[in-house]
Amino acid sequence: AQSVTQLGSHVSVSEGALVLLRCNYSSSVPPYLFWYVQYPNQGLQLLLKYTSAATLVKGINGFEAEFKKSETSFHLTKPSAHMSDAAEYFCAVSDRGDDKIIFGKGTRLHILP
Amino acid sequence: DSGVTQTPKHLITATGQRVTLRCSPRSGDLSVYWYQQSLDQGLQFLIQYYNGEERAKGNILERFSAQQFPDLHSELNLSSLELGDSALYFCASSSRLAGTDTQYFGPGTRLTVL
Repeated sequence: AQSVTQLGSHVSVSEGALVLLRCNYSSSVPPYLFWYVQYPNQGLQLLLKYTSAATLVKGINGFEAEFKKSETSFHLTKPSAHMSDAAEYFCAVSDRGDDKIIFGKGTRLHILP
Repeated sequence: DSGVTQTPKHLITATGQRVTLRCSPRSGDLSVYWYQQSLDQGLQFLIQYYNGEERAKGNILERFSAQQFPDLHSELNLSSLELGDSALYFCASSSRLAGTDTQYFGPGTRLTVL
């Protein structure tokens, strides 16, 4: 069965600094991988997804993630943090051919002025 | 705005009661998913419907049930409510099945059981 582990329930970075949110997955078959963002009092919004094309996936708002099969990782990065990036971020996995997505527990990103 | 609507926005009820949460998917989307988000459990997949038929089940309690109607809107029924059922309930929709398809989330219904 697939699963997702997000390292760090809270991450703080300074405005302008690199954002790195870690995600490791477990899947018995090649997975689809996703990053979603949840702003306060809102639903989740897709940032980016990996579906076996390029291993480096670019998403919205300047975020990108790299699929590394050898490390079973799909870490999310952004070169320069903005105050507006403060939110909760969820990594998720779906086995190909499966209909459900399994979410990680989320990482709350805090941006320090 | 994702195009997915959920009603009501907030619901306060007592233990032992039954409530119904409603979701209207994006125009043209055939799949509807229900999720429960709580502080201790995180975001849990409950159930998926595709074009009126149950497609996948997750951690859904027997006290909970759902259905998708011919017009593709969906309802999640929660009965014999317990304090621990207090959570945010999200609905999401996609055009086909999961995997490559993006799920679009509604704003959620916050359920408080007193």
